[in-house]
Amino acid sequence: AQSVAQPEDQVNVAEGNPLTVKCTYSVSGNPYLFWYVQYPNRGLQFLLKYITGDNLVKGSYGFEAEFNKSQTSFHLKKPSALVSDSALYFCAVRDADSSYKLIFGSGTRLLVRP
Amino acid sequence: EADIYQTPRYLVIGTGKKITLECSQTMGHDKMYWYQQDPGMELHLIHYSYGVNSTEKGDLSSESTVSRIRTEHFPLTLESARPSHTSQYLCASGEMTGNSPLHFGNGTRLTVT
Repeated sequence: AQSVAQPEDQVNVAEGNPLTVKCTYSVSGNPYLFWYVQYPNRGLQFLLKYITGDNLVKGSYGFEAEFNKSQTSFHLKKPSALVSDSALYFCAVRDADSSYKLIFGSGTRLLVRP
Repeated sequence: EADIYQTPRYLVIGTGKKITLECSQTMGHDKMYWYQQDPGMELHLIHYSYGVNSTEKGDLSSESTVSRIRTEHFPLTLESARPSHTSQYLCASGEMTGNSPLHFGNGTRLTVT
């Protein structure tokens, strides 16, 4: 069975500081990993994905994520947070052998204070 | 901006009414999904489709039904709305390849009084 965990309900950072939103996963095969962001009253927007290759993946709005196979983690990072980054962030995993089923984490609310 | 459209954006309706939430996409995607998002943020898959005339129930039991008569259209119907159906409903679509991301609509926020 596949699963994904986001251990923090909320992350608080000051504007200009680096941010990390954590995600760990469990799949039986090779993972496809995704990060999405949700702004108020909107659907989810795709940020970045890891399929294979370089463990550091760069995405939209200056975000990046690091795939760590040994720790089964895919943490989202940004070197310098903006107030406008405040939103809900969802990690998702799909087992490469089960292409239809994308499993979402429970979400992490990021609050960037001025 | 998203090429997947949901209507209405907001709906307030009385108990017992029949409602249909519309979802359309212009990307030619074969895969389409309905998610229910509760106030605690978590997403629950309630229905999905691989293509025309293909529909399956998701992980969360739902009293809703779906149809897929055209590739671009994936409506969700509640025959008799109840207050427990109050939620945000998100429609998504994606390509058949497993490494492709999903595209989401902006959602329908349903309130059943």
